[in-house]
Amino acid sequence: GENVEQHPSTLSVQEGDSAVIKCTYSDSASNYFPWYKQELGKRPQLIIDIRSNVGEKKDQRIAVTLNKTAKHFSLHITETQPEDSAVYFCAASEWGFGNEKLTFGTGTRLTIIP
Amino acid sequence: DGGITQSPKYLFRKEGQNVTLSCEQNLNHDAMYWYRQDPGQGLRLIYYSQIVNDFQKGDIAEGYSVSREKKESFPLTVTSAQKNPTAFYLCASSMPLGQAVNTEAFFGQGTRLTVV
Repeated sequence: GENVEQHPSTLSVQEGDSAVIKCTYSDSASNYFPWYKQELGKRPQLIIDIRSNVGEKKDQRIAVTLNKTAKHFSLHITETQPEDSAVYFCAASEWGFGNEKLTFGTGTRLTIIP
Repeated sequence: DGGITQSPKYLFRKEGQNVTLSCEQNLNHDAMYWYRQDPGQGLRLIYYSQIVNDFQKGDIAEGYSVSREKKESFPLTVTSAQKNPTAFYLCASSMPLGQAVNTEAFFGQGTRLTVV
């Protein structure tokens, strides 16, 4: 089955700086890679996702890059703000073939230092 | 108000007792999932169901059971065979089968189970 590794487990950055979280996956059949943000005491929520036919996707201060050859993808947050502090999870899935299930990484606790 | 609802938010049980966690969605999603969240271990898949009356084991199914008698409901039973049941349990649902566009998984608020 799929295995997703995520690094680092904790990350502290100064407000206004950039943050990068990296994930690798094992199953070359995976074609869908979402990122979820979980604030303290709340449910995980999707912040951005990317499919295997795209190398990069941006949404305001958030971007995700995908390297299919190396089987890794990364989350980039620019101009970080205090409200970016949360736990971030990457995930991978083989979507569209009737067996969709998300395999998650172990999470990164991001702390923005004012 | 559309969404996915888990109940209760907190649950306490004595060791050796079975306990059932509720998950209901009104998003018309075909797929539903149960994850377990432990500190430092991310979200681990327990069971998932792509359609009514069908479900598959995830990565950590031992000691758990599920049913999917209705599209809206996917209850999880934590049995006495689960060796370390104290955890935070999250239910999720996602797209109708065959729809490739909207793939977002929506999560419930979670149930924190404590077994004493």
